[in-house]
Amino acid sequence: KNEVEQSPQNLTAQEGEFITINCSYSVGISALHWLQQHPGGGIVSLFMLSSGKKKHGRLIATINIQEKHSSLHITASHPRDSAVYICAVRSPWETSGSRLTFGEGTQLTVNP
Amino acid sequence: GAGVSQSPSNKVTEKGKDVELRCDPISGHTALYWYRQSLGQGLEFLIYFQGNSAPDKSGLPSDRFSAERTGGSVSTLTIQRTQQEDSAVYLCASSYRDRGYEQYFGPGTRLTVT
Repeated sequence: KNEVEQSPQNLTAQEGEFITINCSYSVGISALHWLQQHPGGGIVSLFMLSSGKKKHGRLIATINIQEKHSSLHITASHPRDSAVYICAVRSPWETSGSRLTFGEGTQLTVNP
Repeated sequence: GAGVSQSPSNKVTEKGKDVELRCDPISGHTALYWYRQSLGQGLEFLIYFQGNSAPDKSGLPSDRFSAERTGGSVSTLTIQRTQQEDSAVYLCASSYRDRGYEQYFGPGTRLTVT
């Protein structure tokens, strides 16, 4: 079992739909990242959070530390949101390094 | 300002040859990470540098892999005697510090071993 599990693996939506991508992890963490990878391969960090909720434009990320679960929501989805969304957890500060452990990613396709 | 840059963007090499991949982090970023993304697989951690501390090499898959960071800035990832399973996209990321700061990713180097 992977330390970081994402669901779903693939998601197809119609433009305007509300989208939720889930991430569960089994290890202690200091922070959780949501990353976006476009078809060209470039990776952009969307959020880094260690508690509560963050919002940026149409994107919302939440984390529940007790349940070891995070969600990424996209409101009013658009075809340009089509990408792979990756959940990554950062090892606790007291351990050596700040390595990220990644989920397998969720391929999102938003159709016009 | 300039982001993380990597070179070359693409590299095709023959099995058994050595390759060097370069990463230029964002100026002032003290933490630098190398990751690998194999075809159809997720990202995996390779190595991490923070300032003058000893690097965390725990993710390097074999002793054919090594990395250096000179002057606390540019980093080079070297793969000796490349194998076909080394084919992947190698990504570099940097952050201002190692704790509490976001990582900024470079565009990656796509390595193909024939």
